[in-house]
Amino acid sequence: SAVISQKPSRDICQRGTSLTIQCQVDSQVTMMFWYRQQPGQSLTLIATANQGSEATYESGFVIDKFPISRPNLTFSTLTVSNMSPEDSSIYLCSVGRIFGQGTRLTVV
Amino acid sequence: SQQGEEDPQALSIQEGENATMNCSYKTSINNLQWYRQNSGRGLVHLILIRSNEREKHSGRLRVTLDTSKKSSSLLITASRAADTASYFCATGEGTSYDKVIFGPGTSLSVIP
Repeated sequence: SAVISQKPSRDICQRGTSLTIQCQVDSQVTMMFWYRQQPGQSLTLIATANQGSEATYESGFVIDKFPISRPNLTFSTLTVSNMSPEDSSIYLCSVGRIFGQGTRLTVV
Repeated sequence: SQQGEEDPQALSIQEGENATMNCSYKTSINNLQWYRQNSGRGLVHLILIRSNEREKHSGRLRVTLDTSKKSSSLLITASRAADTASYFCATGEGTSYDKVIFGPGTSLSVIP
C-alpha cells in the first residue's frame, strides 16, 4: 500500500498569514484528498485533488481560502490562506484509505 | 460533509471487556470502513466491509453491516489498554483510492 509523507508536522502561525502543507506519495495515484479535523471533532473532507485539473471542493470550502496544487501524480499541496484562529486544526491528506500523519496548525 | 452518527460518543470500559460501537449513515454506500486514531493523529484503517457483506472479522475486531437500517457496528473483544483511541466509521464510494466520508466518532477508553 502507498506511503504518504506530509509536512510540516506542526506549525504555529500568525493571524493573516498563509501556510502551505505538502503531501508526497511514494506511488502514482489519480486522486488525493485533503481533510480538516477541528479540535475534538471528526474529519471533514475539504477537497479532492486530481492531477491535471482543478480541485473539487466540498460544500463550505472555497478555493480562495484553501488553494490546492497537484502538479504530478505523486505530490499535492494545500494552502490555508489569510489564517484566523478558527483555522487551528489538524490537516490531513490521503489517497483513499491511507492517510498522512497530519499537520497540526495553531493560529495565534 | 459527514455521514450520520456514531453511538456512543464516548465509552469507558475495563481491560478484558468487549467494546461495541455503532454507526449510522445516510446515503447508499459501496462500502463502510472503520478507522482508529490515537492522540488526535495517525489515522489507521482497521477494516472494510462491502455493501453486499453482513459480517466481517479481523483478529479481535468484528464488524456488522445492515444496509436496510443503514447501520454498522464494531465490536472489539478482550480489550486492551492499547485500544484506547478514537474510532471512526466512514463510508466509501468505490475503489481503494476513492474519497471517504467520516462519521463523528467514538472515544474509547480502556482502563487497565
